[in-house]
Amino acid sequence: AQSVTQLDSHVSVSEGTPVLLRCNYSSSYSPSLFWYVQHPNKGLQLLLKYTSAATLVKGINGFEAEFKKSETSFHLTKPSAHMSDAAEYFCVVSDPGGYNKLIFGAGTRLAVHP
Amino acid sequence: DGGITQSPKYLFRKEGQNVTLSCEQNLNHDAMYWYRQDPGQGLRLIYYSQIVNDFQKGDIAEGYSVSREKKESFPLTVTSAQKNPTAFYLCASSSPDFFSYNEQFFGPGTRLTVL
Repeated sequence: AQSVTQLDSHVSVSEGTPVLLRCNYSSSYSPSLFWYVQHPNKGLQLLLKYTSAATLVKGINGFEAEFKKSETSFHLTKPSAHMSDAAEYFCVVSDPGGYNKLIFGAGTRLAVHP
Repeated sequence: DGGITQSPKYLFRKEGQNVTLSCEQNLNHDAMYWYRQDPGQGLRLIYYSQIVNDFQKGDIAEGYSVSREKKESFPLTVTSAQKNPTAFYLCASSSPDFFSYNEQFFGPGTRLTVL
């Protein structure tokens, strides 16, 4: 069965410093993986997706993630945090069995300090 | 603009009342989903529909009901049988074709509070 573990429930960084949000997955298949961002009281917005075309995936707003099969990881990074990056981030794996089910991690809340 | 709309943004319900949350999409997507979000728990799937006039229970369907009479619309009813309905509800849609890789598009959400 597919599952997703986000290793940190909260991450705090200073503006201008790098961001690392960690995600490990479990999948019996070659997975599709996503990172979504959610600002307070808003819906989810897709940051990036891995679809086996390339292991390093670039997304919006300067974020990128690297798929590492040997480590079953899909960590999200950004070289320099901006105040507007403060939000909740969800790592998601697609369950290929039948109905496009997405399996969500519990989320990581990113705080950015001046 | 193509997208998903949910209404109302905020909804208050008295105990024992049924309420219906609206979800409309103009993306021409076949599949639609309802999720419930509670603090620190990520999103949990309530119901999904892959095609008009068909829907399936997700992981936490008890106390909820849905209909899918039109491709564009997938309303969710929170019944009085739902013991703890206070939560943030998100609707999503997707085009289940090979090239979409199951990406889902989300609405802005409805926050339901039971008084």
